[in-house]
Amino acid sequence: SQLAEENSWALSVHEGESVTVNCSYKTSITALQWYRQKSGKGPAQLILIRSNEREKRNGRLRATLDTSSQSSSLSITATRCEDTAVYFCATRSSNTNKVVFGTGTRLQVLP
Amino acid sequence: GGIITQTPKFLIGQEGQKLTLKCQQNFNHDTMYWYRQDSGKGLRLIYYSITENDLQKGDLSEGYDASREKKSSFSLTVTSAQKNEMAVFLCASTKLSAETLYFGSGTRLTVL
Repeated sequence: SQLAEENSWALSVHEGESVTVNCSYKTSITALQWYRQKSGKGPAQLILIRSNEREKRNGRLRATLDTSSQSSSLSITATRCEDTAVYFCATRSSNTNKVVFGTGTRLQVLP
Repeated sequence: GGIITQTPKFLIGQEGQKLTLKCQQNFNHDTMYWYRQDSGKGLRLIYYSITENDLQKGDLSEGYDASREKKSSFSLTVTSAQKNEMAVFLCASTKLSAETLYFGSGTRLTVL
């Protein structure tokens, strides 16, 4: 069963605009991670937000976590063409080392 | 820094064939994972190994075997390749107490 899933399959924005990707999950977690995967590469972590944190920033990226609604968002400001990628959320449940990824949101940033 | 090396990068097999994918990491990480990614889809966990000599099934383990030969290497065997399992197989590793997974670039499997 899916423990994590993003809420949009694909998004398209123009360079300079902001965009938000949302994720919902179904179990108790210790942390939620956001990854980005560019074409032909493995995913790379962008942000890790722990269950006792509500917000985390990394440059133009901002992640939020709401454990009561079991949801998270990743916002990217001032998007660039190189932000074009697939964005995944991933969770590890509190009692295992099993890390489960959502189905991903494909973001296209247009010039 | 470290690196995860997956071999081969491209693997072509015949239906029914037994195929092995290899993964090596030099991070000295304890835990390693194998994921399958179908075209345009998310990652599904096949097998993982918390420490050397450990093996845990993921959500998609049927039709696969795995082997953690030593701390730095984790192999995945497709026991009988099927045409519907053409996909990219991704290996990842992490320290036992940490959260961040580091991924290789994947092995793309094609079954004829």
